[in-house]
Amino acid sequence: DVKVTQSSRYLVKRTGEKVFLECVQDMDHENMFWYRQDPGLGLRLIYFSYDVKMKEKGDIPEGYSVSREKKERFSLILESASTNQTSMYLCASSRTRASNQPQHFGDGTRLSIL
Amino acid sequence: AQSVTQLGSHVSVSEGALVLLRCNYSSSVPPYLFWYVQYPNQGLQLLLKYTSAATLVKGINGFEAEFKKSETSFHLTKPSAHMSDAAEYFCAVTKGPSGNTPLVFGKGTRLSVIA
Repeated sequence: DVKVTQSSRYLVKRTGEKVFLECVQDMDHENMFWYRQDPGLGLRLIYFSYDVKMKEKGDIPEGYSVSREKKERFSLILESASTNQTSMYLCASSRTRASNQPQHFGDGTRLSIL
Repeated sequence: AQSVTQLGSHVSVSEGALVLLRCNYSSSVPPYLFWYVQYPNQGLQLLLKYTSAATLVKGINGFEAEFKKSETSFHLTKPSAHMSDAAEYFCAVTKGPSGNTPLVFGKGTRLSVIA
Protein backbone atom coordinates (compact mmCIF):
# COMPACT_ATOMS: atom_id res chain seq x y z
CA ASP A 1 0.00 0.00 0.00
CA VAL A 2 1.02 3.55 -0.67
CA LYS A 3 1.97 5.46 2.43
CA VAL A 4 1.71 9.24 2.49
CA THR A 5 3.02 10.65 5.74
CA GLN A 6 2.44 14.17 6.97
CA SER A 7 4.90 15.25 9.63
CA SER A 8 2.38 16.64 12.12
CA ARG A 9 -1.25 15.81 12.91
CA TYR A 10 -1.78 19.01 14.89
CA LEU A 11 0.15 22.27 14.79
CA VAL A 12 -0.34 25.60 16.54
CA LYS A 13 1.53 28.67 15.32
CA ARG A 14 1.32 32.42 15.74
CA THR A 15 0.49 35.05 13.13
CA GLY A 16 3.50 36.19 11.17
CA GLU A 17 5.46 32.98 11.71
CA LYS A 18 6.91 31.04 8.80
CA VAL A 19 5.32 27.59 8.86
CA PHE A 20 6.53 24.42 7.17
CA LEU A 21 4.26 21.42 6.51
CA GLU A 22 6.08 18.33 5.36
CA CYS A 23 4.81 15.39 3.31
CA VAL A 24 6.61 12.21 2.30
CA GLN A 25 5.42 9.38 0.06
CA ASP A 26 7.09 5.99 -0.17
CA MET A 27 5.97 4.68 -3.58
CA ASP A 28 8.09 6.67 -6.03
CA HIS A 29 5.04 8.62 -7.23
CA GLU A 30 5.60 11.38 -9.75
CA ASN A 31 2.83 13.70 -8.63
CA MET A 32 2.24 15.35 -5.29
CA PHE A 33 -0.49 17.75 -4.19
CA TRP A 34 -1.37 20.07 -1.33
CA TYR A 35 -5.00 20.82 -0.47
CA ARG A 36 -6.73 22.69 2.26
CA GLN A 37 -10.07 21.44 3.59
CA ASP A 38 -12.60 23.75 5.19
CA PRO A 39 -16.16 22.95 6.31
CA GLY A 40 -18.64 23.52 3.53
CA LEU A 41 -15.92 24.23 0.97
CA GLY A 42 -14.57 20.74 0.34
CA LEU A 43 -10.98 20.35 -0.80
CA ARG A 44 -9.26 23.18 -2.60
CA LEU A 45 -5.98 22.71 -4.42
CA ILE A 46 -3.14 24.96 -3.29
CA TYR A 47 -0.14 23.71 -5.30
CA PHE A 48 0.92 20.56 -7.08
CA SER A 49 4.10 19.15 -8.55
CA TYR A 50 4.66 16.73 -11.42
CA ASP A 51 8.39 16.37 -10.90
CA VAL A 52 11.32 17.32 -8.74
CA LYS A 53 11.90 21.09 -8.59
CA MET A 54 8.71 21.65 -10.54
CA LYS A 55 5.56 23.27 -9.18
CA GLU A 56 2.27 24.55 -10.49
CA LYS A 57 -0.30 26.79 -8.85
CA GLY A 58 -3.65 25.38 -7.92
CA ASP A 59 -6.83 27.30 -7.22
CA ILE A 60 -5.73 29.13 -4.04
CA PRO A 61 -1.94 29.62 -4.04
CA GLU A 62 -1.89 33.08 -2.44
CA GLY A 63 0.04 33.17 0.80
CA TYR A 64 1.65 29.77 0.18
CA SER A 65 4.75 28.42 -1.52
CA VAL A 66 6.06 24.88 -2.01
CA SER A 67 9.32 23.05 -2.36
CA ARG A 68 10.12 19.72 -3.98
CA GLU A 69 13.83 19.04 -3.78
CA LYS A 70 13.44 15.24 -3.73
CA LYS A 71 10.87 13.09 -5.47
CA GLU A 72 9.42 11.66 -2.27
CA ARG A 73 9.08 14.93 -0.34
CA PHE A 74 6.76 17.90 -0.95
CA SER A 75 6.75 20.80 1.48
CA LEU A 76 4.11 23.48 1.91
CA ILE A 77 5.32 26.82 3.27
CA LEU A 78 3.24 29.56 4.80
CA GLU A 79 5.53 32.55 4.37
CA SER A 80 3.83 34.69 7.03
CA ALA A 81 1.01 32.84 8.71
CA SER A 82 -2.35 34.53 9.11
CA THR A 83 -5.46 33.51 11.03
CA ASN A 84 -7.37 32.84 7.80
CA GLN A 85 -4.92 30.03 7.09
CA THR A 86 -6.25 28.05 10.03
CA SER A 87 -7.43 24.88 8.34
CA MET A 88 -6.93 21.17 7.71
CA TYR A 89 -4.13 20.58 5.19
CA LEU A 90 -4.04 17.39 3.16
CA CYS A 91 -1.17 16.07 1.10
CA ALA A 92 -1.70 13.54 -1.70
CA SER A 93 0.33 11.71 -4.32
CA SER A 94 -0.42 9.84 -7.56
CA ARG A 95 1.71 7.50 -9.62
CA THR A 96 1.78 9.39 -12.92
CA ARG A 97 0.31 12.45 -14.63
CA ALA A 98 -2.41 10.37 -16.30
CA SER A 99 -5.86 11.50 -15.26
CA ASN A 100 -7.04 7.98 -14.41
CA GLN A 101 -4.54 7.63 -11.58
CA PRO A 102 -6.15 7.86 -8.14
CA GLN A 103 -4.66 10.08 -5.50
CA HIS A 104 -3.45 8.68 -2.18
CA PHE A 105 -3.88 10.94 0.83
CA GLY A 106 -2.10 11.49 4.11
CA ASP A 107 -4.06 11.81 7.36
CA GLY A 108 -3.87 15.59 7.33
CA THR A 109 -2.38 18.34 9.47
CA ARG A 110 -4.80 20.45 11.46
CA LEU A 111 -3.15 23.86 11.63
CA SER A 112 -4.26 26.60 13.99
CA ILE A 113 -2.89 30.12 13.63
CA LEU A 114 -3.37 32.23 16.74
CA ALA B 1 -13.32 23.54 -17.02
CA GLN B 2 -14.47 20.68 -14.86
CA SER B 3 -16.76 21.05 -11.86
CA VAL B 4 -18.71 18.82 -9.50
CA THR B 5 -21.93 19.44 -7.60
CA GLN B 6 -22.87 17.21 -4.71
CA LEU B 7 -26.54 17.57 -3.83
CA GLY B 8 -27.05 17.62 -0.09
CA SER B 9 -24.32 18.53 2.36
CA HIS B 10 -25.78 16.10 4.89
CA VAL B 11 -27.68 12.87 4.32
CA SER B 12 -29.13 10.76 7.11
CA VAL B 13 -30.30 7.15 6.67
CA SER B 14 -31.37 4.34 8.95
CA GLU B 15 -29.18 1.29 9.38
CA GLY B 16 -30.11 -1.21 6.67
CA ALA B 17 -31.63 1.43 4.37
CA LEU B 18 -30.48 2.36 0.88
CA VAL B 19 -27.69 4.91 0.66
CA LEU B 20 -27.86 7.35 -2.27
CA LEU B 21 -25.35 10.19 -2.53
CA ARG B 22 -25.76 12.42 -5.55
CA CYS B 23 -23.05 13.83 -7.78
CA ASN B 24 -23.44 15.80 -10.99
CA TYR B 25 -20.48 16.90 -13.04
CA SER B 26 -19.69 19.41 -15.71
CA SER B 27 -16.93 18.74 -18.19
CA SER B 28 -16.08 19.95 -21.67
CA VAL B 29 -14.42 16.62 -22.47
CA PRO B 30 -15.16 13.00 -21.49
CA PRO B 31 -14.38 12.86 -17.79
CA TYR B 32 -12.87 10.50 -15.33
CA LEU B 33 -14.85 10.40 -12.07
CA PHE B 34 -13.97 9.32 -8.55
CA TRP B 35 -15.63 8.84 -5.18
CA TYR B 36 -13.58 9.19 -2.00
CA VAL B 37 -14.54 8.62 1.63
CA GLN B 38 -13.12 10.40 4.67
CA TYR B 39 -13.55 8.95 8.13
CA PRO B 40 -13.13 11.26 11.15
CA ASN B 41 -9.55 12.49 11.66
CA GLN B 42 -8.29 10.67 8.58
CA GLY B 43 -7.34 11.47 5.02
CA LEU B 44 -9.39 10.49 1.98
CA GLN B 45 -9.60 6.91 0.72
CA LEU B 46 -10.58 5.92 -2.80
CA LEU B 47 -13.96 4.15 -2.96
CA LEU B 48 -14.21 3.69 -6.72
CA LYS B 49 -13.42 5.30 -10.05
CA TYR B 50 -14.87 5.54 -13.55
CA THR B 51 -12.34 5.71 -16.35
CA SER B 52 -14.45 5.03 -19.45
CA ALA B 53 -14.76 1.28 -19.12
CA ALA B 54 -18.00 -0.16 -17.67
CA THR B 55 -20.54 2.50 -16.72
CA LEU B 56 -21.50 0.64 -13.52
CA VAL B 57 -18.50 0.70 -11.23
CA LYS B 58 -18.16 -1.40 -8.10
CA GLY B 59 -16.02 -0.21 -5.24
CA ILE B 60 -14.98 -1.18 -1.77
CA ASN B 61 -17.31 -1.76 1.19
CA GLY B 62 -20.29 -2.63 -1.04
CA PHE B 63 -20.55 0.76 -2.75
CA GLU B 64 -21.18 1.23 -6.45
CA ALA B 65 -21.77 4.12 -8.81
CA GLU B 66 -23.23 4.45 -12.29
CA PHE B 67 -21.93 6.86 -14.90
CA LYS B 68 -24.84 8.38 -16.84
CA LYS B 69 -23.62 10.64 -19.59
CA SER B 70 -27.12 11.82 -20.57
CA GLU B 71 -27.73 13.02 -17.01
CA THR B 72 -24.11 14.09 -16.32
CA SER B 73 -24.37 12.15 -13.09
CA PHE B 74 -22.26 9.71 -11.07
CA HIS B 75 -24.39 8.89 -8.04
CA LEU B 76 -23.03 6.64 -5.29
CA THR B 77 -25.23 3.88 -3.86
CA LYS B 78 -25.14 1.08 -1.33
CA PRO B 79 -28.12 -1.25 -0.83
CA SER B 80 -27.89 -1.47 2.96
CA ALA B 81 -26.24 1.08 5.22
CA HIS B 82 -24.01 0.05 8.11
CA MET B 83 -23.08 2.17 11.10
CA SER B 84 -19.49 2.05 9.90
CA ASP B 85 -20.48 3.91 6.70
CA ALA B 86 -20.89 7.15 8.64
CA ALA B 87 -18.31 9.46 7.08
CA GLU B 88 -17.89 12.29 4.60
CA TYR B 89 -17.99 11.42 0.91
CA PHE B 90 -16.43 13.41 -1.90
CA CYS B 91 -17.05 13.18 -5.62
CA ALA B 92 -14.24 14.33 -7.91
CA VAL B 93 -13.75 14.85 -11.65
CA THR B 94 -10.82 15.24 -13.95
CA LYS B 95 -10.31 15.43 -17.66
CA GLY B 96 -10.38 12.03 -19.28
CA PRO B 97 -7.92 10.73 -21.84
CA SER B 98 -7.62 14.14 -23.44
CA GLY B 99 -5.79 15.77 -20.57
CA ASN B 100 -3.64 15.50 -17.48
CA THR B 101 -5.13 17.70 -14.83
CA PRO B 102 -5.60 17.55 -11.06
CA LEU B 103 -8.85 16.40 -9.54
CA VAL B 104 -11.64 18.89 -8.91
CA PHE B 105 -13.57 17.94 -5.78
CA GLY B 106 -17.15 18.54 -4.77
CA LYS B 107 -17.89 20.10 -1.40
CA GLY B 108 -18.69 16.78 0.21
CA THR B 109 -21.72 15.02 1.68
CA ARG B 110 -21.72 13.94 5.29
CA LEU B 111 -23.52 10.62 5.76
CA SER B 112 -25.07 9.82 9.13
CA VAL B 113 -26.39 6.33 9.86
CA ILE B 114 -29.08 6.01 12.52
CA ALA B 115 -29.45 2.81 14.51
